[in-house]
Amino acid sequence: NAGVTQTPKFRILKIGQSMTLQCTQDMNHNYMYWYRQDPGMGLKLIYYSVGAGITDKGEVPNGYNVSRSTTEDFPLRLELAAPSQTSVYFCASRNPAGEDQPQHFGDGTRLSIL
Amino acid sequence: AQSVAQPEDQVNVAEGNPLTVKCTYSVSGNPYLFWYVQYPNRGLQFLLKYITGDNLVKGSYGFEAEFNKSQTSFHLKKPSALVSDSALYFCAVRVPRNTGKLIFGQGTTLQVKP
Repeated sequence: NAGVTQTPKFRILKIGQSMTLQCTQDMNHNYMYWYRQDPGMGLKLIYYSVGAGITDKGEVPNGYNVSRSTTEDFPLRLELAAPSQTSVYFCASRNPAGEDQPQHFGDGTRLSIL
Repeated sequence: AQSVAQPEDQVNVAEGNPLTVKCTYSVSGNPYLFWYVQYPNRGLQFLLKYITGDNLVKGSYGFEAEFNKSQTSFHLKKPSALVSDSALYFCAVRVPRNTGKLIFGQGTTLQVKP
């Protein structure tokens, strides 16, 4: 009963390094989302995808890239890490059958950039 | 533009007392509203939703929420708080006709004291 799985759970990067945050779901959900959570700011949508091969920008896409080659996986890439990208990142997925379906979240990746 | 406001950063209640966590929204068209809970170092968990129908909706762990269209509010309630209810609570509104994207409030920390 895995749901949405994110790896790694924690990571420290140096400024200018790159990394990929992994997200996979086993619920066969077409819709997937990446958020960042900053204290007192709620969650902000970075990118989302409505199916394999289809991605689109959210509110705060700058500095990030995504791909969606399979239904299960939705990795988030940081190319040139900056201190402003220190945050907690959450991946979510949703069953597209009905607009009332809730999103299901992973446990997050805590990323610090020094 | 759609928005969600949670006017209280923190709510403190004594165990056994009723609790209310406030949420107001602004959205064009009929709102789809959600409450999520986040425990430390975990992702968001779905609590309940309002789509249509009865203004009082019931959800997980004894929580309920009251939808008030005239006041554009969707307050989360529980008749008797437990210490284990202490967590971060998020209200969210679905962006209409737009791939199920959610806009989140900034979150309210609920502290229940024994």
